[in-house]
Amino acid sequence: QLQLQESGPGLVKPSETLSLTCTVSGGSISSNNYYWGWIRQPPGKGLEWIGSIYYSGSTYYSPSLKSRVIISIDTAKNQFSLKVTSVTAADTAVYYCARLVLTGDRGRGFCDYWGRGTLLTVSS
Amino acid sequence: DIVMTQSPDSLAVSLGERATVNCKSSQSVLYSTDNRNYLAWYQQKAGQPPKLLIYWASTRESGVPDRFSGSGSGTDFTLTISSLQAEDVAIYYCQQYFGTPLTFGQGTKVEVK
Repeated sequence: QLQLQESGPGLVKPSETLSLTCTVSGGSISSNNYYWGWIRQPPGKGLEWIGSIYYSGSTYYSPSLKSRVIISIDTAKNQFSLKVTSVTAADTAVYYCARLVLTGDRGRGFCDYWGRGTLLTVSS
Repeated sequence: DIVMTQSPDSLAVSLGERATVNCKSSQSVLYSTDNRNYLAWYQQKAGQPPKLLIYWASTRESGVPDRFSGSGSGTDFTLTISSLQAEDVAIYYCQQYFGTPLTFGQGTKVEVK
């Protein structure tokens, strides 16, 4: 059974960089049938796609976050990671990593497996 | 961006009754090349991650009870719970994967009346 687990600091100060890692177990991250993505959910609000990465390292980002986001992948460790720079209180959210079934180019797909999510709070 | 708009924002249905959630996209998510609608539905229970219910607008994910069904094409879609069970209390989201950025509806909260 595929499992995804997010890990990260929980609390980040404004203007600093948020860093999260997703560890995938029960399956290989090096599959040509999937993207690996990050989705976030501010407290009490809806879901926002941040971006997706292919095992080759090709990345696709939401235009609204593109200037502040980097997603990377480490196939040897079966992990992928998210960095968001210059965070503000608006970046406070539960961050989910997910597997996306590849349905087209540019990171497009639907999420068939999700991590449990990690709450990231931006506060001084 | 393709804007996904769900209606209603919330609904309360008696146990055993039908619940219907609507989702409208700002442009068609039907891809003419494969005649597929690039739309998924998710269920999110309190304190849990979303769970995939339906993809390609009407294909039920493995293990999802058959009381859940999806329909629609182009810009208008519906998620139907044919006989609401207590465990179906959740927020339901639609998502389009026709274009990037991937976008979700704002969610519909389903409760028991």
